[in-house]
Amino acid sequence: NAGVTQTPKFRVLKTGQSMTLLCAQDMNHEYMYWYRQDPGMGLRLIHYSVGEGTTAKGEVPDGYNVSRLKKQNFLLGLESAAPSQTSVYFCASSYGTSGYEQYFGPGTRLTVT
Amino acid sequence: SQKIEQNSEALNIQEGKTATLTCNYTNYSPAYLQWYRQDPGRGPVFLLLIRENEKEKRKERLKVTFDTTLKQSLFHITASQPADSATYLCAQGNAGNMLTFGGGTRLMVKP
Repeated sequence: NAGVTQTPKFRVLKTGQSMTLLCAQDMNHEYMYWYRQDPGMGLRLIHYSVGEGTTAKGEVPDGYNVSRLKKQNFLLGLESAAPSQTSVYFCASSYGTSGYEQYFGPGTRLTVT
Repeated sequence: SQKIEQNSEALNIQEGKTATLTCNYTNYSPAYLQWYRQDPGRGPVFLLLIRENEKEKRKERLKVTFDTTLKQSLFHITASQPADSATYLCAQGNAGNMLTFGGGTRLMVKP
């Protein structure tokens, strides 16, 4: 069981470039999440998905898009990167909500110059 | 909007002592609180869940309390060890809603 994996681990982008972060989970979880973590800000939810083919906005969705074409994968896209998107991005998954624990990936450190 | 707050200052304690971390929430009482541990360069790892109707939850050296009057959860690590040094995150949630995380408190246990 690999749990939750994320690729890439590190990335440097120039302003205006685009990229996609890939998250994969092998626990057959319905729910998947993308968070960003900034110093002193805690984890903030960007987008989430309650099942294959469905996505929803979280607390800070602007500048990001997501897709959940397969149950095990959740993609986070940045169409035109900005320096404000420099952050550490975490993917997570869970069996459900209402108290179910979330399993997190190792994170992707993104720097936008 | 609902906020969840943790002490942003690091907590330094001596090995063997009990570490106590605080999580405060505003406005309405969440249905449950979760505590996670995060090591540098890694993703958070779930530790404990406590629901609104529970006063206390224990797991080995860990204990969590939920005080709806004070709007506060306390997280205790007894007989702390240097290996317990990490950042601890509190998160609150309600039925059908997503988790909201606090900023975390860094714990340093000195030998």
